[in-house]
Amino acid sequence: LAKTTQPISMDSYEGQEVNITCSHNNIATNDYITWYQQFPSQGPRFIIQGYKTKVTNEVASLFIPADRKSSTLSLPRVSLSDTAVYYCLVFSGNTGKLIFGQGTTLQVKP
Amino acid sequence: DADVTQTPRNRITKTGKRIMLECSQTKGHDRMYWYRQDPGLGLRLIYYSFDVKDINKGEISDGYSVSRQAQAKFSLSLESAIPNQTALYFCATSDFRGPNTGELFFGEGSRLTVL
Repeated sequence: LAKTTQPISMDSYEGQEVNITCSHNNIATNDYITWYQQFPSQGPRFIIQGYKTKVTNEVASLFIPADRKSSTLSLPRVSLSDTAVYYCLVFSGNTGKLIFGQGTTLQVKP
Repeated sequence: DADVTQTPRNRITKTGKRIMLECSQTKGHDRMYWYRQDPGLGLRLIYYSFDVKDINKGEISDGYSVSRQAQAKFSLSLESAIPNQTALYFCATSDFRGPNTGELFFGEGSRLTVL
């Protein structure tokens, strides 16, 4: 399963757009990229999933270049309540495994 | 009511005791997972199951066992608990037939302390 690498922490201010980039150099053909958000003492919550190009939903966008070796989660106009840990995962379409990495702690300041 | 329910939510036990954490779901999903999370760290996969007859080891299965009693129930056991198994344990489910095959639905967690 492809290992993911993402920044340990990021700071932002309310109202700004936040982009978190994840690298997954060994991603396989049947793998998907998923992102999760976790608040303290709660289970992670699914944000978005993509395979290639761009995916957008009501809370975020996911950009995946053609080589799929990296991906960028974009959070538009963050608020204080977006302060959380964000995990980038590679989901194996073959094995069904989801392995979490260390995640990125996003701190949104007023 | 929660779709994925874990019991107990909190448990304090002593070294050497046998502990069972239970997970039940009403989502009708085939796939179920057990993760543990240590303070300040990410989640690590212990075991996962794709149906009643399918059990797979994850990253850190040593010291743990599981039982898939039914599609809706997946239990995690610590046969002889030790202090470094103190952690927050999460159960999760997924529906491989859904539009987002990598979407896990998590329970509220079971906090286990081994003294």
